[in-house]
Amino acid sequence: EPEVTQTPSHQVTQMGQEVILRCVPISNHLYFYWYRQILGQKVEFLVSFYNNEISEKSEIFDDQFSVERPDGSNFTLKIRSTKLEDSAMYFCASGQSPFNGYTFGSGTRLTVV
Amino acid sequence: DAKTTQPPSMDCAEGRAANLPCNHSTISGNEYVYWYRQIHSQGPQYIIHGLKNNETNEMASLIITEDRKSSTLILPHATLRDTAVYYCIVRPNYGGSQGNLIFGKGTKLSVKP
Repeated sequence: EPEVTQTPSHQVTQMGQEVILRCVPISNHLYFYWYRQILGQKVEFLVSFYNNEISEKSEIFDDQFSVERPDGSNFTLKIRSTKLEDSAMYFCASGQSPFNGYTFGSGTRLTVV
Repeated sequence: DAKTTQPPSMDCAEGRAANLPCNHSTISGNEYVYWYRQIHSQGPQYIIHGLKNNETNEMASLIITEDRKSSTLILPHATLRDTAVYYCIVRPNYGGSQGNLIFGKGTKLSVKP
């Protein structure tokens, strides 16, 4: 069964550093998403991406965040100047259509120290 | 905020049917009901979705009341591996929607031997 692959599974970074979280969506999917989940809290929508541009973003997704699909297979989330409160699980997801269910990756646990 | 109400937790005996209720009394005519689950901090997993007719797939059945104000997810023969947090989510299915999901707290289903 096709999978969404996320790397690394766990990343530790110093406060103020930039991190890039990487995702390989399912190959024939056109819609891409990032969500995050702070420990013990709800899963929160960050951003959706279609046709090489952001289609929707939440209030969380401010200028500190950016997304990119650099080469037609990878989908990345960049977090600049990380803060302690950015520590969370970050999930990438992809789908063929926004109207059907989509597939999540297993996540990257980001720890900011 | 999530537009659904779910019990915070439920228990089910292994091998028995698990019936997970969801209240969505303010659902709009163009909104579908989606169910996802999350097994122990893994990425959420799509289960099923529907508009007004009952739906069944290899994982579960979805029963939506005639007035669409509530629904029930049925796992016909629960196993220990079905222990997870189950999320009921309503969202519109129309061209302007890019599919982002608003997760609530869900129902923690514990399947017991």
